Amino acid sequence: DVVMTQTPLSSPVTLGQPASISCRSSQSLVHGDGNTYLSWLHQRPGQPPRLLIYKISNRFSGVPDRFSGSGAGTDFTLKISRVEAEDVGVYYCMQATQFPYSFGQGTKLEIK
Amino acid sequence: QVQLQESGPRLVKPSETLSLTCDVSGYPINSDCFWAWIRQPPGKGLEWIGSVCHTGTSYYNPSLESRVTMAVDTPKNQFSLKLSSVTAADTAVYYCARREAQDLWAFDLWGRGMMITVSS
Repeated sequence: DVVMTQTPLSSPVTLGQPASISCRSSQSLVHGDGNTYLSWLHQRPGQPPRLLIYKISNRFSGVPDRFSGSGAGTDFTLKISRVEAEDVGVYYCMQATQFPYSFGQGTKLEIK
Repeated sequence: QVQLQESGPRLVKPSETLSLTCDVSGYPINSDCFWAWIRQPPGKGLEWIGSVCHTGTSYYNPSLESRVTMAVDTPKNQFSLKLSSVTAADTAVYYCARREAQDLWAFDLWGRGMMITVSS
């Protein structure tokens, strides 16, 4: 089974400053079809998660361009170029390359 | 507009079976694989429970596999979760979600979630 490990688990950031979250998988997430099914989700308190990024670096519909994803194989990164107040919450990476699907532990983004 | 809505009893007694249904509106359930259940214990992270396709194919989290059954009801456009022999550790918010299968292969649609409490 694929284990997803996120760092840091907590990230205090200043409004307007960048933020970065890392996600590492215990196995390569490259699927047999050549795609890498690594996604990022954001969850605000009391709400369901919402999709931000799919297939490493593709922004989902309506996601601001200050969010970007990168990486390959087993190492992935989510970056926010300039943090806004609405970005607080918990960020999860998730792999759908192989069953059983798995999530990272989550990274809590807080404003300093 | 595609929407997912969970329903079912919010309180389940220990050792009994938790049963939830996810109603899918605005989208034919037999147009995609896979439909998923994901849960989140209070104050904790997300746990994938399993995924099911309208063809009958299903995959479950190995840690729950012996207690989980999922199914799709195509005429009703809904899918279901049954979790047997529940304990307090199964207390969580339960979400249903769609894993888009054409391009994204990610959970792009989520229900609002239901808080399920296991208690006598």
